[in-house]
Amino acid sequence: DIQMTQSPSSLSASVGDRVTLTCRASQRIKRYLNWYQQRPGKAPKLLIYGVSNLQSGVPSRFSGSGSGTEFTLTISGLQPEDFATYYCQQSDSDPCSFGQGTKLEI
Amino acid sequence: EVQLLESGGGLIPPGGSLTLSCVGSGYGFGIYGMSWVRQAPGKGLEWVSSIRSSGDGPKYADSVQGRFTISRDNSKNTLFLEMNRLRVEDTAVYYCAKHWSSGPDFDYWGQGTLVAVSS
Repeated sequence: DIQMTQSPSSLSASVGDRVTLTCRASQRIKRYLNWYQQRPGKAPKLLIYGVSNLQSGVPSRFSGSGSGTEFTLTISGLQPEDFATYYCQQSDSDPCSFGQGTKLEI
Repeated sequence: EVQLLESGGGLIPPGGSLTLSCVGSGYGFGIYGMSWVRQAPGKGLEWVSSIRSSGDGPKYADSVQGRFTISRDNSKNTLFLEMNRLRVEDTAVYYCAKHWSSGPDFDYWGQGTLVAVSS
């Protein structure tokens, strides 16, 4: 099974900052890498699919990149509503798997 | 507007059974695969089970294999998760999630239903 490891586990930032979250896979994966945002008490929301494709309706300050085993989610110009927990997920190999999450705090 | 609405959660003693339902609306339910994903209190996301649009090819996480059964009724736009021999560690919010591709890539999620296994 592929293990997904996110870093850092938590991150403190301020409105307007640019932050980068990292996700590492235990083995090489193709482009089946997604990012989700989860606000407290809410369901996850798809942000990025296929490593770098922005889901419809998601602000352009979110971007994804990476290849092989290392992937990143960058948020440029943090907004108050961006403070949430972010999960990466690989769907390249069964079973699909999520990272443990990065909590982005003010 | 795509909507997924789960129901059926509750408090159940260890060893008990429960069936969750998820009704989809606002899209062609029978065209897309579906999954159940759970989240234990204060923890991360864990994929539980997936099913193809046609209802065949169910897949399960090792942690639930042999105890949980996923199914769907496309005529009623409904996804099910039958859970048997429940354990304390099955306690979680259970989300149904719609696939947008042929694999478990989730573009829409329900609001979740809480299953609490406790004596």
